[in-house]
Amino acid sequence: GDSVTQTEGLVTVTEGLPVKLNCTYQTTYLTIAFFWYVQYLNEAPQVLLKSSTDNKRTEHQGFHATLHKSSSSFHLQKSSAQLSDSALYYCVHSNNRIFFGDGTQLVVKP
Amino acid sequence: GALVYQYPRRTICKSGTSMRMECQAVGFQATSVAWYRQSPQKTFELIALSTVNSAIKYEQNFTQEKFPISHPNLSFSSMTVLNAYLEDRGLYLCGARQYSGNTLYFGEGSRLIVV
Repeated sequence: GDSVTQTEGLVTVTEGLPVKLNCTYQTTYLTIAFFWYVQYLNEAPQVLLKSSTDNKRTEHQGFHATLHKSSSSFHLQKSSAQLSDSALYYCVHSNNRIFFGDGTQLVVKP
Repeated sequence: GALVYQYPRRTICKSGTSMRMECQAVGFQATSVAWYRQSPQKTFELIALSTVNSAIKYEQNFTQEKFPISHPNLSFSSMTVLNAYLEDRGLYLCGARQYSGNTLYFGEGSRLIVV
């Protein structure tokens, strides 16, 4: 069946350094959309990035992700982490259903 | 833009009583609404998916008898937690999306505290 895997429950990075949050997936559908949602403390999840095009980089707020169907991945990256990036990040894929990863807590330290 | 309002934000209820939460979509037509519970470990459990003009589909471990849902039109959905007990505690989120899109827009969540 369909699923999304985020291997890290917690990622800690020093401010100004690059960060990468991993996301891989399994799906039996051909037409799918992928998202990264970010949830700040005491707030609702909100869309950070979305993509449905293979090998096309998508960017927002300094974050970027590229869907690679060959490796079933949609990793989230940022070249320079900021303190305000500390939050929960969810990788999600959507066809007629929506599948959430378990989330990765990103902590950016000074 | 697309917004989803969810209320109440927080409810404290006595064990065995019920809590109703509401979800209002603004700026788009919410043809489907998904109700989730976010666990203390922060994972999302899908409770049910409600699509206008279709039967509400409940996930395993969640039933209509416990979590009745109403989705009467394209801008509103409600869910009740009946006979709430400690294991029902958590943050309940509604996510709405329109027919032509895949993006799920979340409400702020309704936190249920059972005492």
